[in-house]
Amino acid sequence: DAKTTQPPSMDCAEGRAANLPCNHSTISGNEYVYWYRQIHSQGPQYIIHGLKNNETNEMASLIITEDRKSSTLILPHATLRDTAVYYCIVRDLSGGSYIPTFGRGTSLIVHP
Amino acid sequence: EPEVTQTPSHQVTQMGQEVILRCVPISNHLYFYWYRQILGQKVEFLVSFYNNEISEKSEIFDDQFSVERPDGSNFTLKIRSTKLEDSAMYFCASSPFPGGTEAFFGQGTRLTVV
Repeated sequence: DAKTTQPPSMDCAEGRAANLPCNHSTISGNEYVYWYRQIHSQGPQYIIHGLKNNETNEMASLIITEDRKSSTLILPHATLRDTAVYYCIVRDLSGGSYIPTFGRGTSLIVHP
Repeated sequence: EPEVTQTPSHQVTQMGQEVILRCVPISNHLYFYWYRQILGQKVEFLVSFYNNEISEKSEIFDDQFSVERPDGSNFTLKIRSTKLEDSAMYFCASSPFPGGTEAFFGQGTRLTVV
């Protein structure tokens, strides 16, 4: 699986958009980009995933660059409850069971 | 909304004792996982389970650990002869099929070995 690089921490004002970057420059054509988050002491929570097109759901938007070497998770209107560690995971889904493998992620703090 | 349920939420055990952590995955899911997270560290994969057998396991998942789906609804992780370093949050997860979609995680069991 391709390695990902994320900033260790970020902060954002409540009500503003939070833009969390992820670099995955060695991504291959079969690898999807997944985002999870972990609110303190809780289990990880799936947010969104994509292959090459931008994706949006009720939680967030995922913007993947045309060369697929980086992506950005956007929380359009961050709330205090979005304070969490956000994990960007790249995974080849072409064989075997899907096993999310978590790195250090980005610790996002949303402040009033 | 369906969810993965784990019991107990907190378990304290003496070193050398056996513990069983229980999970009820989402009912129509077929793939099950156990992860652990030592305090302040990353979430680490332990094992995945499908069709009543282990499909993948990590180096952490040694002979001290075993998993079972005893009755078609529960999914258990047994830790034999617990050690102090087994103290961690243990998360169960399930997903509908491999390689296709997101995994849903439970809220975890905090295991404390004293």
